[in-house]
Amino acid sequence: DGGITQSPKYLFRKEGQNVTLSCEQNLNHDAMYWYRQDPGQGLRLIYYSQIVNDFQKGDIAEGYSVSREKKESFPLTVTSAQKNPTAFYLCASGLRSTGELFFGEGSRLTVL
Amino acid sequence: DAKTTQPNSMESNEEEPVHLPCNHSTISGTDYIHWYRQLPSQGPEYVIHGLTSNVNNRMASLAIAEDRKSSTLILHRATLRDAAVYYCILRDGLRAGGFKTIFGAGTRLFVKA
Repeated sequence: DGGITQSPKYLFRKEGQNVTLSCEQNLNHDAMYWYRQDPGQGLRLIYYSQIVNDFQKGDIAEGYSVSREKKESFPLTVTSAQKNPTAFYLCASGLRSTGELFFGEGSRLTVL
Repeated sequence: DAKTTQPNSMESNEEEPVHLPCNHSTISGTDYIHWYRQLPSQGPEYVIHGLTSNVNNRMASLAIAEDRKSSTLILHRATLRDAAVYYCILRDGLRAGGFKTIFGAGTRLFVKA
């Protein structure tokens, strides 16, 4: 089935450790996005990519890094520089047009 | 980036229509208006989108003002499963950076049985 898959669903990490969240889509979408959501809040854009080997910072990129080596994949690394990494992370993809966005089920990261 | 403004929360009775408003006074001519909804602990799901004309699908209707500075998502008969956060966003694939796709805080819809 076509869709967008995030893994892991739950992740625990110790302070000072980097962690990478996976996002894979088989929808042949050019654009991919990473959002962060804190409890009771809306979505805030971390990074987005319009095409392979290209990505741009969103509104809260500090402490995060991404890569886009393949069209299907857009992993997000939460680095130790991110001061408050505990959050719900959402990945999305869409066509290079104004069509709908498809979201993954999210990854919940907890820093102990 | 064009921004949208929505009420923080709204309440509805089950089986009654719900009108969720959204203001986007700085909308550009090539911005599409999108609506998504999010259930607890899930990713948002697409509801509907439009450019100028009103749109209908199996989930909802979208009414767009003639000047396009506001829109309304209409749920014709609210059910308990419609209780969610509803986001109104603008997407433009033509302008530079148009894929940035910013979400606001959305409207939390409460549905009473």
